[in-house]
Amino acid sequence: LAKTTQPISMDSYEGQEVNITCSHNNIATNDYITWYQQFPSQGPRFIIQGYKTKVTNEVASLFIPADRKSSTLSLPRVSLSDTAVYYCLVGEGTFSGGYNKLIFGAGTRLAVHP
Amino acid sequence: DTEVTQTPKHLVMGMTNKKSLKCEQHMGHRAMYWYKQKAKKPPELMFVYSYEKLSINESVPSRFSPECPNSSLLNLHLHALQPEDSALYLCASSRDGTGGTEAFFGQGTRLTVV
Repeated sequence: LAKTTQPISMDSYEGQEVNITCSHNNIATNDYITWYQQFPSQGPRFIIQGYKTKVTNEVASLFIPADRKSSTLSLPRVSLSDTAVYYCLVGEGTFSGGYNKLIFGAGTRLAVHP
Repeated sequence: DTEVTQTPKHLVMGMTNKKSLKCEQHMGHRAMYWYKQKAKKPPELMFVYSYEKLSINESVPSRFSPECPNSSLLNLHLHALQPEDSALYLCASSRDGTGGTEAFFGQGTRLTVV
């Protein structure tokens, strides 16, 4: 499984765009990149997933360069409620065993200030 | 229904007690997971069930015993735990591995061993 590296923490202010970069140098051909958000004392919540180029949904965008060795989660116009830990996961999107081995790295602790 | 329901939400048990954690999902997911999370740490994978069969045991001590009675239910039986086993225990489920790494997590059971 590809190892991921993210900044331990980030600070931002309400209304700003936040970009969190994840490094995954040994990503495999079949691997997808998935981001989760976790609030204290709650389970992680799926944010976005991609394989290459750019993916956008109603809450975030995910940018993946051609070499796929890194990815950037972009949160537009953050609010105080976006204060959370963000995890980047890399793993197989199709797994013949019928499951995905979801291994969490250390994550990035984002603090949004007024 | 996109919920994973875990019961109880909180549990205090003595080191000689036997207790069980329960997890339920009705999304038709065929992969279910148990994670353990200590404060300010990422979730650690414990067990993975795929099609009601144990697929991964991440070298978890035998005082933790998982059980998957059917495709909607996942239990974690606890016996003779230690105080260091106090943590948030998270259950998750995902599709059969053919659609990416999106998993749905429950809110967790906060376990305290005294």
